[in-house]
Amino acid sequence: GNSVTQMEGPVTLSEEAFLTINCTYTATGYPSLFWYVQYPGEGLQLLLKATKADDKGSNKGFEATYRKETTSFHLEKGSVQVSDSAVYFCALTNQAGTALIFGKGTTLSVSS
Amino acid sequence: DTEVTQTPKHLVMGMTNKKSLKCEQHMGHRAMYWYKQKAKKPPELMFVYSYEKLSINESVPSRFSPECPNSSLLNLHLHALQPEDSALYLCASSQDPLAGNTGELFFGEGSRLTVL
Repeated sequence: GNSVTQMEGPVTLSEEAFLTINCTYTATGYPSLFWYVQYPGEGLQLLLKATKADDKGSNKGFEATYRKETTSFHLEKGSVQVSDSAVYFCALTNQAGTALIFGKGTTLSVSS
Repeated sequence: DTEVTQTPKHLVMGMTNKKSLKCEQHMGHRAMYWYKQKAKKPPELMFVYSYEKLSINESVPSRFSPECPNSSLLNLHLHALQPEDSALYLCASSQDPLAGNTGELFFGEGSRLTVL
């Protein structure tokens, strides 16, 4: 079945540093890809998504490009802020397209 | 109004208790989901309701019983739980079931369950 692998955390950065969180996937067909963010004590929020190869999702300064050739959807941000501290989950739709499968999550901690 | 509301936020129950978790959305979404999230783990899908009918049950033990009384409400009835069932239970909704791979989920803040 479809699955997603993302880099282990935690990732610790200083404010204004560049962020990359790696995500690769295994899938049958052409799933949609997502990044969700979970702030402390809250539920998950959709950060960005891409529905087909070469699509770039972007939101709040975060970007990720759907790379079919490398089966990747890496999350990037040019300059992180303390308020970006959260857990980031890469996700894709299951083979039937009826539910999301989440990666293990990467904890990001940004200090001032 | 773009919220998914879950109650209670915290629940402590014994192994012989019967309790329920509730979820409500007023976005007109026709698919609703229960996910279970253990500490420092990703959410794991439990159930999916599509147009008020149970469409996915991810082999969840029968001590968890979902119910969808109408398109806005989703309940999770709990009975004879085990301590290992302690977790954050997340409800989510989507405009349509994710067929077509274009859906996104809107999550509630979760109900944190502790089983003693």
